[in-house]
Amino acid sequence: EAGVAQSPRYKIIEKRQSVAFWCNPISGHATLYWYQQILGQGPKLLIQFQNNGVVDDSQLPKDRFSAERLKGVDSTLKIQPAKLEDSAVYLCASSSRLQGPDQYFGPGTRLTVL
Amino acid sequence: GENVEQHPSTLSVQEGDSAVIKCTYSDSASNYFPWYKQELGKGPQLIIDIRSNVGEKKDQRIAVTLNKTAKHFSLHITETQPEDSAVYFCAASEGDYKLSFGAGTTVTVRA
Repeated sequence: EAGVAQSPRYKIIEKRQSVAFWCNPISGHATLYWYQQILGQGPKLLIQFQNNGVVDDSQLPKDRFSAERLKGVDSTLKIQPAKLEDSAVYLCASSSRLQGPDQYFGPGTRLTVL
Repeated sequence: GENVEQHPSTLSVQEGDSAVIKCTYSDSASNYFPWYKQELGKGPQLIIDIRSNVGEKKDQRIAVTLNKTAKHFSLHITETQPEDSAVYFCAASEGDYKLSFGAGTTVTVRA
């Protein structure tokens, strides 16, 4: 079974530029999560989707971050405009509630904002 | 919201010795407690989890214990090997499965 796929793996941008990350969850997983992991910290949930609907986006900085999951499969996370403090690894995870609460993570996208 | 604290932040053990990582949580409604292992440049990998109706769970060299009264849970790794070197995260979740993570423990196994 293929795992969670993410691209790109690395991205370097200047502040005030925009950037987008892509995630393809494990096949059949209806729930998709985006996390932000700042160096030396644990992952912090940004947004949770159930199919193509948002379940929780309370921690998403909506003035600059947006996310969508149009067909209930792939998802994109966008930052516009980026700030220095957005430098982090952005992790995507998915789960199948039918199989339990276990979340499976992708390799992440390391973003550096200069 | 849930607050998870994890100790120690770093742990160095001799190969073959045991490693113990402890976490506390704040929300008594939390009922799912997974542990993740993260190697450099990779995403977190689920290694074991425990539910609130179980006090202890073991999988080969890894065991987790849960004390709901005290709101703390622990990861025990026995007979450590060099490949156990990584960052380990504990997490806690309520029924909606929204995970709150600890800050992580960097484990180094000395050969």
